[in-house]
Amino acid sequence: EVQLVESGGGLVQPGGSLRLSCAASGLTVSSNYMTWVRQAPGRGLQWVSLVDSDGRTYYTDSVKGRFTISRDNSKNTLYLQMNSLRAEDTAVFYCARIQRAGTTGYAFDIWGQGTMVTVSS
Amino acid sequence: SYDLTQPPSVSVSPGQTASITCSGDKLGSIYVSWYQQKPGQSPVLVIHQDTKRPSGIPERFSGSNSGNTATLTISGTQAMDEADYYCQAWDINTVTVVFGGGTKLTVL
Repeated sequence: EVQLVESGGGLVQPGGSLRLSCAASGLTVSSNYMTWVRQAPGRGLQWVSLVDSDGRTYYTDSVKGRFTISRDNSKNTLYLQMNSLRAEDTAVFYCARIQRAGTTGYAFDIWGQGTMVTVSS
Repeated sequence: SYDLTQPPSVSVSPGQTASITCSGDKLGSIYVSWYQQKPGQSPVLVIHQDTKRPSGIPERFSGSNSGNTATLTISGTQAMDEADYYCQAWDINTVTVVFGGGTKLTVL
């Protein structure tokens, strides 16, 4: 069974750091495009970051310079290092696998259960 | 940045057809995906590449995309289809992913 399991969320003070993990089974993280998506309480989905199979990384503007996406091939795990956290980063963070078709067909076909990040003093 | 616009809410009677739109500049020139999210659950992909249904998604879900508008259509809507629906596309110019604001589908 293909599965993604996030962990690492919790309560952190403004300005603090947190590292999220996404452990994969049934798929190889390094061979896939992988992504993080977040959802603030009562709000819609917001794309955060993705890493392609060549290791190139992309970020939404609001997290550039603060968040870093990475992967550990030996552990088959995706990470999101989050620094300088702000109250507006409070959200459920999901990791997902990207299914690609052509140059614009990016669909998130496998999702984890999400991990909650709360930034508050 | 590229914006995708969805109506905040759509209502439909059981058994009828629900249509949820997603608008964006020249949206028909890029692929659109659609996700269903029920309260407390992770999103589920219901349509990709404009019209394709993943395995396990009922045939009553269909999609189209032309001009500036993509549409998710649910035929014979059931109570279990009540959920939030999001469209999503890839912005080639900024190399980023964009989601629409989401549409709450109410079956009443």
